Amino acid sequence: LAKTTQPISMDSYEGQEVNITCSHNNIATNDYITWYQQFPSQGPRFIIQGYKTKVTNEVASLFIPADRKSSTLSLPRVSLSDTAVYYCLVGDTGGFKTIFGAGTRLFVKA
Amino acid sequence: DTEVTQTPKHLVMGMTNKKSLKCEQHMGHRAMYWYKQKAKKPPELMFVYSYEKLSINESVPSRFSPECPNSSLLNLHLHALQPEDSALYLCASSQDLGAGVNQPQHFGDGTRLSIL
Repeated sequence: LAKTTQPISMDSYEGQEVNITCSHNNIATNDYITWYQQFPSQGPRFIIQGYKTKVTNEVASLFIPADRKSSTLSLPRVSLSDTAVYYCLVGDTGGFKTIFGAGTRLFVKA
Repeated sequence: DTEVTQTPKHLVMGMTNKKSLKCEQHMGHRAMYWYKQKAKKPPELMFVYSYEKLSINESVPSRFSPECPNSSLLNLHLHALQPEDSALYLCASSQDLGAGVNQPQHFGDGTRLSIL
């Protein structure tokens, strides 16, 4: 199973772009990279998923270099409500296990 | 609001009690999961069901007993729990297990369990 490493915490200000990088050196060929957001006392919420290059949806972008050993979640123009924990997950090639990394606590200040 | 509904939202029980946590989804998902999450820690996988059959048991103590009566429901039966079992218990579902975590999971907001 590919282990993920993320910064423990990050601070930002409203309106800034935030980039959170996740390292996954042992990612397997069939693995996808998935990011979740979690607010206190709520379950994680799916943000974005990708395999290679760049994926963009209405809330975020995901950048994955060619070697796929890392990925970067980009949140454009964050607001106070983006204060949360962000988890990077890499898929198990067996397709069953889900292992959350430690997550990154993002604090957005006014 | 989430598409995965968990009840109760809060539960306080003694170590000798028997209680059950319930989870329901109507998205037609055929994979369902139980996670345990301690404060300021990531969710930890406990059990996975695929097509109503137990696929994964992550060496969870027998005082936790999962049950999947049908494709929409998932229960977690609790008996003789310990204080260290106090945590947020999260249920999730995904379309199927064919691609595992390649299928995004939909989480409920959990049951906050306190063991006295």
